[in-house]
Amino acid sequence: GAVVSQHPSRVICKSGTSVKIECRSLDFQATTMFWYRQFPKQSLMLMATSNEGSKATYEQGVEKDKFLINHASLTLSTLTVTSAHPEDSSFYICSARAGGTGELFFGEGSRLTVL
Amino acid sequence: AQSVTQLDSQVPVFEEAPVELRCNYSSSVSVYLFWYVQYPNQGLQLLLKYLSGSTLVKGINGFEAEFNKSQTSFHLRKPSVHISDTAEYFCAVSYANQAGTALIFGKGTTLSVSS
Repeated sequence: GAVVSQHPSRVICKSGTSVKIECRSLDFQATTMFWYRQFPKQSLMLMATSNEGSKATYEQGVEKDKFLINHASLTLSTLTVTSAHPEDSSFYICSARAGGTGELFFGEGSRLTVL
Repeated sequence: AQSVTQLDSQVPVFEEAPVELRCNYSSSVSVYLFWYVQYPNQGLQLLLKYLSGSTLVKGINGFEAEFNKSQTSFHLRKPSVHISDTAEYFCAVSYANQAGTALIFGKGTTLSVSS
């Protein structure tokens, strides 16, 4: 199947700093990518929908100024957590849709720990 | 709006026993249905999907699921589980024929297989 790569897989940062997470579709073009957040032992919560060349669409309750999403090309979307706080510590997972079948391919996830 | 309910948060079973993980959904329009598996600190792997056609869907690792439109269910089954099947399982739904929509996930079911 299609491959989605996330980087970094783990990151530790100090409170107040910013962290960028990359999501790449390696063997297909993804006009739409999705960012999810997963708290320990909980489900995946959709944060935002990222469309290539346009502004991301954020879900209710997600701060767009804190979680900056950029989808500058058909194979790359980035999530930047600005002014990170310990409560932002979480597992962030991106996904991309290949074709129109509805199937999403997921990255391996990025675990963010804010000290 | 769509929603997904996974009726069991935890399912403990013995090795080689059969298992069923239950999933119900609600939607006023046609949907696609998915089951994903997540191993600790990893992303999601697709087990199987229902898009259209036969209501019995076979997936990887010996799993299968049956789409029941009248009961709005998509239960996952395996006739004989292995220790290696221990993981978190997520049922998910998306709108059919709409490539730009995200998946909505259930809360997950923890399958614990013991010897």
